[in-house]
Amino acid sequence: QKEVEQNSGPLSVPEGAIASLNCTYSDRGSQSFFWYRQYSGKSPELIMSIYSNGDKEDGRFTAQLNKASQYVSLLIRDSQPSDSATYLCAGFKAAGNKLTFGGGTRVLVKP
Amino acid sequence: EADIYQTPRYLVIGTGKKITLECSQTMGHDKMYWYQQDPGMELHLIHYSYGVNSTEKGDLSSESTVSRIRTEHFPLTLESARPSHTSQYLCASRPLAGGAYNEQFFGPGTRLTVL
Repeated sequence: QKEVEQNSGPLSVPEGAIASLNCTYSDRGSQSFFWYRQYSGKSPELIMSIYSNGDKEDGRFTAQLNKASQYVSLLIRDSQPSDSATYLCAGFKAAGNKLTFGGGTRVLVKP
Repeated sequence: EADIYQTPRYLVIGTGKKITLECSQTMGHDKMYWYQQDPGMELHLIHYSYGVNSTEKGDLSSESTVSRIRTEHFPLTLESARPSHTSQYLCASRPLAGGAYNEQFFGPGTRLTVL
């Protein structure tokens, strides 16, 4: 079992709809979580970080963390074609002192 | 905004050549990382450093080597490039102080092609 798991997709979303991305993690010692957006051929760009249970909103993005269920999600509201990218979930745990990345979910927003 | 730089951005080179991929950051971050990523595939950590004179191998075995003589500089070297080294190489950094809550930023990457 991978430490951070994501559905590889593609997740196809109509323009203007909500894209919902999920991520599960296996290590309960993971303390913080990060969502990165990566366009094809480019480097990952940090879009959200979340440390506590609950929701965190930033513009059209909402990150949700449920440590009891070991589950992290990202919602993209009013999806735009420019949101088409691969979204990487990453968790940090003190043991190892580094981020562990999931395989990424590819999102396609269709006009 | 992250200030982390990689050069060259693109490199096409012949088999057997020695190459050094440069990575520099101006944020004073202690921790620096090198990842390897093939198109459409996962990120693989190949090297990391917690500070000057500290280097460790990552999760994926790599024939490359790294050095950390200055805080801001973390170059990656391939002594003899092979076609199997063709990939995108991504450098990243994050501060050490603050532990789990620090954000990690990536450089723009170097796309390496070995013929």
